[in-house]
Amino acid sequence: QKEVEQNSGPLSVPEGAIASLNCTYSDRGSQSFFWYRQYSGKSPELIMFIYSNGDKEDGRFTAQLNKASQYVSLLIRDSQPSDSATYLCAVNGDYGGSQGNLIFGKGTKLSVKP
Amino acid sequence: EPEVTQTPSHQVTQMGQEVILRCVPISNHLYFYWYRQILGQKVEFLVSFYNNEISEKSEIFDDQFSVERPDGSNFTLKIRSTKLEDSAMYFCASSEASPNRFGTQYFGPGTRLLVL
Repeated sequence: QKEVEQNSGPLSVPEGAIASLNCTYSDRGSQSFFWYRQYSGKSPELIMFIYSNGDKEDGRFTAQLNKASQYVSLLIRDSQPSDSATYLCAVNGDYGGSQGNLIFGKGTKLSVKP
Repeated sequence: EPEVTQTPSHQVTQMGQEVILRCVPISNHLYFYWYRQILGQKVEFLVSFYNNEISEKSEIFDDQFSVERPDGSNFTLKIRSTKLEDSAMYFCASSEASPNRFGTQYFGPGTRLLVL
């Protein structure tokens, strides 16, 4: 059973600080890694994706991937109260076919205090 | 900006009844998916669909579930005889690229299904 693990939190950071969200995955063959943001009662919204080892930056967000350690993280710089949400880590799965369907972690709840 | 749409936003049904959840994927996308999220739990994959047939399905997607693309725009999920445990938020998603080519999935707003 392929698993994606996240600390459920809540993670509380002050406004303007860096929030660091972590995720580990069990399948060494996973190739695609995604971070989604989910506000309460809403659908997952894509924040970033990363396929290669290293860092990928997009505005205030940086995704980091370490395939050897089976670890992916998301850094949010200059955190804002509007960043308060649950952050979902998702990894491409394998149900015997194309390995494109997503396996989600339970998510980390982030709270940014003004 | 193109987006996935879903109807209805909320559905209440009696146990044993059939429900159909509807989705309109992003227009140039070729790969379609259904996921569900039981309240307080993780998002779970149900089924993927490409070229008018199911590509993959999870163990959740049993004989009570079916999917269809009845025309060029809609993608539906049918639950034949609903159970209490089917109560969840159901998300439709679509992607442009093949999953083997790292297709990025975009989610619709969801349908909240409550089975009484």
